[in-house]
Amino acid sequence: DTEVTQTPKHLVMGMTNKKSLKCEQHMGHRAMYWYKQKAKKPPELMFVYSYEKLSINESVPSRFSPECPNSSLLNLHLHALQPEDSALYLCASSQVGPGLAGTYSYNEQFFGPGTRLTVL
Amino acid sequence: QKEVEQDPGPLSVPEGAIVSLNCTYSNSAFQYFMWYRQYSRKGPELLMYTYSSGNKEDGRFTAQVDKSSKYISLFIRDSQPSDSATYLCAIISGGSNYKLTFGKGTLLTVNP
Repeated sequence: DTEVTQTPKHLVMGMTNKKSLKCEQHMGHRAMYWYKQKAKKPPELMFVYSYEKLSINESVPSRFSPECPNSSLLNLHLHALQPEDSALYLCASSQVGPGLAGTYSYNEQFFGPGTRLTVL
Repeated sequence: QKEVEQDPGPLSVPEGAIVSLNCTYSNSAFQYFMWYRQYSRKGPELLMYTYSSGNKEDGRFTAQVDKSSKYISLFIRDSQPSDSATYLCAIISGGSNYKLTFGKGTLLTVNP
């Protein structure tokens, strides 16, 4: 299984709602990522989990709360979002997580299909 | 100056044409060079990656890197309508194994 799956495919929520995005992979990867992609823009990294621990937070507002219950699952909890948070949210996974400088080796990231989020 | 520059297009070509997509980068520490293809409303999928100057070929696709000029290219031969997508170059620096720096993406349409 070389696939990253994401649910739901589409989500519409109000600014006062609480919702969650889910991501799953069964490739035995130990790093998982959340990206945000606005229309006609490249993906922007939000969070990286390595061995189920949050290792990178790219200064993301606290209304986005990631969670990694186990090595195969990654959630993104959403609360009090703004209309400008509407975007495609992409999950990715890779074999290893962020390494020490100087210990770099190629580390392909596999992307899921994304959840298209609309905040009203 | 942005770290990775990519002409967003759009680019429209007839079926069978040779397509050339290009990116330039500013940081000589960049070490791995990738091309992703992203269909509308889908996640990016890796097409090719390379780490050295020169050409790498895979079927109809050729990735070219010129580290001296900080220039990377993707060539698509015998383009097909199914190649219509956004193509994103992405680069990883030598000091990281996770931080993808993406270009803006080029929207390609291949017309039958």
